[in-house]
Amino acid sequence: DAKTTQPTSMDCAEGRAANLPCNHSTISGNEYVYWYRQIHSQGPQYIIHGLKNNETNEMASLIITEDRKSSTLILPHATLRDTAVYYCIVPDRGSTLGRLYFGRGTQLTVWP
Amino acid sequence: EAQVTQNPRYLITVTGKKLTVTCSQNMNHEYMSWYRQDPGLGLRQIYYSMNVEVTDKGDVPEGYKVSRKEKRNFPLILESPSPNQTSLYFCASSSTGIRGLKSSPNQPQHFGDGTRLSIL
Repeated sequence: DAKTTQPTSMDCAEGRAANLPCNHSTISGNEYVYWYRQIHSQGPQYIIHGLKNNETNEMASLIITEDRKSSTLILPHATLRDTAVYYCIVPDRGSTLGRLYFGRGTQLTVWP
Repeated sequence: EAQVTQNPRYLITVTGKKLTVTCSQNMNHEYMSWYRQDPGLGLRQIYYSMNVEVTDKGDVPEGYKVSRKEKRNFPLILESPSPNQTSLYFCASSSTGIRGLKSSPNQPQHFGDGTRLSIL
């Protein structure tokens, strides 16, 4: 997988937007950016993915820079239940379909 | 409800006693996978399966076996468990998506709730 770099931890006040950055400077032209999260010891949960355009779904928004070397996951109104480890993943197009490398991710703590 | 179901959720057992962790998905997914998660090491893939009767090793396959006789089930077998296999295990599944399109992304994976194994 293309290497991704995320801050180890972040915090956010409940009700405010949480903006989680990810650097993926070695990304190739047709590689997607995926975001998953893992609430303590539960199974990872898919959030969103994108290629070059910004994406939005019911959970979050994904902003990808024009050069595609970085992206930001936005949780528009964070709640206490959004406290989790967030993983930014760029699966290697040359790797076997479906193989994901989960790095250390960002521990997001939402406080009241 | 679309889901991946693992059983058991918790198991404490002893070295050498064969055990099987079951995984079942109801989404007709072709792809299934097993991961283990250990503190400081993140999630590591053990085995995966692209479809029925098609399985392959992941990054840490030693000490594990799998089978894929039916599309919905992908059991993880520990023939002779050892203490270093004490871990949190996750099963995942996904569709394999549209084949042949250069820009086709990997499909999002759905994970089970995990199985915590303790081998004494």
